Amino acid sequence: DTEVTQTPKHLVMGMTNKKSLKCEQHMGHRAMYWYKQKAKKPPELMFVYSYEKLSINESVPSRFSPECPNSSLLNLHLHALQPEDSALYLCASSQERVRVGGELFFGEGSRLTVL
Amino acid sequence: DAKTTQPNSMESNEEEPVHLPCNHSTISGTDYIHWYRQLPSQGPEYVIHGLTSNVNNRMASLAIAEDRKSSTLILHRATLRDAAVYYCILRENNNDMRFGAGTRLTVKP
Repeated sequence: DTEVTQTPKHLVMGMTNKKSLKCEQHMGHRAMYWYKQKAKKPPELMFVYSYEKLSINESVPSRFSPECPNSSLLNLHLHALQPEDSALYLCASSQERVRVGGELFFGEGSRLTVL
Repeated sequence: DAKTTQPNSMESNEEEPVHLPCNHSTISGTDYIHWYRQLPSQGPEYVIHGLTSNVNNRMASLAIAEDRKSSTLILHRATLRDAAVYYCILRENNNDMRFGAGTRLTVKP
């Protein structure tokens, strides 16, 4: 199984809603990532987890709250978002964070629209 | 982070080879060169990576200049399915994968 599964595929939420994006992998990977991608732009790194601990937060606003409950699961909790937060949110995993030659496996993304 | 420069877009004909260039003049000795591609409506996928020597795999070949200041991703026979944005990324130890603008490849039938 070389898949990273993201749910939901599409999410529409209002600015006062609380919702979560979920990411799952069963490859035994110990590093997991959240990226944000706006239309026609490259993915931007948001958060990195290594061995279930947050290693990198790229100055992401606190309305985005990541959580890694176990080595297979990564969540992104969303609260009080703005319309400009509408984007494709991509999850990725890799065997280890600091294996430079290692490959990242990406999910297909969750497309978020904030009204 | 060392930066890469790629053309914004390239066109190719189906079944012909494609050479996608990447300049990375500030590359350091420990930077690996990675290539990922992103097909429409999908997440990025790994293509190939290398350090100093040329590399081949089932998807593509990576040609690295002797001074490592540039590299070229080679698709030997482009298919319509190869139409995607191709990202050239430098990655050194302890640094995470950060994407540049990439090259949008169009394949014409």
